[in-house]
Amino acid sequence: ELKVEQNPLFLSMQEGKNYTIYCNYSTTSDRLYWYRQDPGKSLESLFVLLSNGAVKQEGRLMASLDTKARLSTLHITAAVHDLSATYFCAVTGQNAGNMLTFGGGTRLMVKP
Amino acid sequence: DGGITQSPKYLFRKEGQNVTLSCEQNLNHDAMYWYRQDPGQGLRLIYYSQIVNDFQKGDIAEGYSVSREKKESFPLTVTSAQKNPTAFYLCASKASGSSYEQYFGPGTRLTVT
Repeated sequence: ELKVEQNPLFLSMQEGKNYTIYCNYSTTSDRLYWYRQDPGKSLESLFVLLSNGAVKQEGRLMASLDTKARLSTLHITAAVHDLSATYFCAVTGQNAGNMLTFGGGTRLMVKP
Repeated sequence: DGGITQSPKYLFRKEGQNVTLSCEQNLNHDAMYWYRQDPGQGLRLIYYSQIVNDFQKGDIAEGYSVSREKKESFPLTVTSAQKNPTAFYLCASKASGSSYEQYFGPGTRLTVT
């Protein structure tokens, strides 16, 4: 059974600081996704990581994937208040339905 | 505009009543999915369908039913057998092939009292 764990579950940080969110998964996966969710809203796709060593960056967010360690990171550089949201990672197992298994989410609060 | 629509945005029901949540997509996607999200938690898969007239149970299918009579529509019925139906429900769709990603609808928040 594919399991996905994120840590920390909650992160409070000051504007301008850097931090990393971690996503571990238990079995071989085809691809890994990062999503952002604002309160009461749907999921917004941030990154899709397809292969070992993949790195993608968008603004102050950078995601990386290490398939050997079964680990992905989402690094936040010089955080701003607008980044406050809940961030989820999700992986697809090697199944016919391309089903996503989600981590529990990291709630990020960036204080001015 | 292409996309996924879910209606209604908020839904209130009395305990013991069945309720159907709508999900429509005009993206011509073959696969559609239903997820449930509880406060402070990630999404869990209820049902999915890869093709019209076919669907499979996800991790938490008990107390739910679905149909897939049309490619663009995948309604979810929350039955009275679902013990804790109050949650945020998200529908998603995806084009065929593993290289495509799922697109999510805006969600329906169901409250059962």
